[in-house]
Amino acid sequence: GAGVSQSPSNKVTEKGKDVELRCDPISGHTALYWYRQSLGQGLEFLIYFQGNSAPDKSGLPSDRFSAERTGGSVSTLTIQRTQQEDSAVYLCASSLASGSTNEQFFGPGTRLTVL
Amino acid sequence: QKEVEQDPGPLSVPEGAIVSLNCTYSNSAFQYFMWYRQYSRKGPELLMYTYSSGNKEDGRFTAQVDKSSKYISLFIRDSQPSDSATYLCAMRLFGNEKLTFGTGTRLTIIP
Repeated sequence: GAGVSQSPSNKVTEKGKDVELRCDPISGHTALYWYRQSLGQGLEFLIYFQGNSAPDKSGLPSDRFSAERTGGSVSTLTIQRTQQEDSAVYLCASSLASGSTNEQFFGPGTRLTVL
Repeated sequence: QKEVEQDPGPLSVPEGAIVSLNCTYSNSAFQYFMWYRQYSRKGPELLMYTYSSGNKEDGRFTAQVDKSSKYISLFIRDSQPSDSATYLCAMRLFGNEKLTFGTGTRLTIIP
C-alpha cells in the first residue's frame, strides 16, 4: 500500500518568504508527526496530532512555525518569514494510534533551502 | 548537553564484519528504545524496538539496552553492502509520543 507522501520533495525559497509543506499520511493512521532534520543535528520533534485532540506543539522553534491537519488526514506545515537557519529536511510520520508499540512510518521528507 | 548522544562517524567496515553502533542518554525516564535506518534521500525506517534492559534479536540485528548505564547498542552481524546507511537511535518517554533522536551514525560496508 501507499506510504507517507510529502510534497514538494525540494523547495528553494528566498529569505523572508512563506512556505507550505504538505504531508499525506498512511490511510487510517490517526497520529501524525512533523520532525526537522538539520545537518549534524539529527531529527528534532516539531509537532504531533492525534485524532481530534489538541496538537502537541511543544517542539515548534518559534511562532513563525505552524501546522494544521484538516479532516484528520492531510497536514500542512507553514513557515512564515523564512530564515536561512530554517534550511533543513522536514519529515512527516504517521502511526496507527498512540501507545507503547506504535510504529511511526516516515515519509521521504521535503528538503527546504532558504537563500 | 544533548539528551541523546551518538557518534556521527563515519564508520567503514569490510563486508562480513560485525558492526557495533551505540548511543548514550541522560534522561533515565526514557522507557522505549528504537533503532532506525535511513538511506540517502529517504525517510527513516524502523529496524528494532525494545523497552526492557537486555538483548533483542531479529535476524542479523541485535538491540541491547542497559538502563542502569543509560546505554543502548545495535549489533549487525555478517554485514552486507546493503546495510550502508545512517543509523539513528531514538527513545521515548512513557505516555509521550515524541521521539528523541541521536544525530545518527553514517555506516559504510566495503565489499
